[in-house]
Amino acid sequence: DAGVIQSPRHEVTEMGQEVTLRCKPISGHNSLFWYRQTMMRGLELLIYFNNNVPIDDSGMPEDRFSAKMPNASFSTLKIQPSEPRDSAVYFCASSSHGGKQETQYFGPGTRLLVL
Amino acid sequence: GQNIDQPTEMTATEGAIVQINCTYQTSGFNGLFWYQQHAGEAPTFLSYNVLDGLEEKGRFSSFLSRSKGYSYLLLKELQMKDSASYLCAVHSGYALNFGKGTSLLVTP
Repeated sequence: DAGVIQSPRHEVTEMGQEVTLRCKPISGHNSLFWYRQTMMRGLELLIYFNNNVPIDDSGMPEDRFSAKMPNASFSTLKIQPSEPRDSAVYFCASSSHGGKQETQYFGPGTRLLVL
Repeated sequence: GQNIDQPTEMTATEGAIVQINCTYQTSGFNGLFWYQQHAGEAPTFLSYNVLDGLEEKGRFSSFLSRSKGYSYLLLKELQMKDSASYLCAVHSGYALNFGKGTSLLVTP
């Protein structure tokens, strides 16, 4: 299996621009997570999908952030408009919900820099 | 609330043994994970404990005491490539709540 795939790997944009991050989970996994990692706050859960349905988006910072999962093999995280404080590494992870261990497997991350 | 504490940094010598501690206070507990994260890379799964006791996997072992809200990751025969951040994460409900990680530096 190719693992969790994320694109782009790096993104540099200017404040006010729209940013779209993409994720393809591991085939057969039915849970998908978006995380943000910064030095100050560590790894923070932004949103969790189960069977393509958003279950908990309480970690989404504000209305500028939105996430979708139109099918089992694709999810997007959108920031509009972007701000410098959004600069971070954004990870997507997937797992098989209902399994005994439910280990989450992480993608390589998208390193976002908002100028 | 969720509170997961681990030391910020540790240094150890190649070939030695190091123990990284993690204490937690969380609402709900479905298991504790340890992840390894090299600089600039994604976290990768190391170990999982749901029952009290020691789980051994090669050079790495992880211990859990649920009554004490305590876990540790033990790394034996340290190698230079073990220099990384080690993240403790508690699984409660569906979410993984991560500590801020312990940055381990292995020196020659």
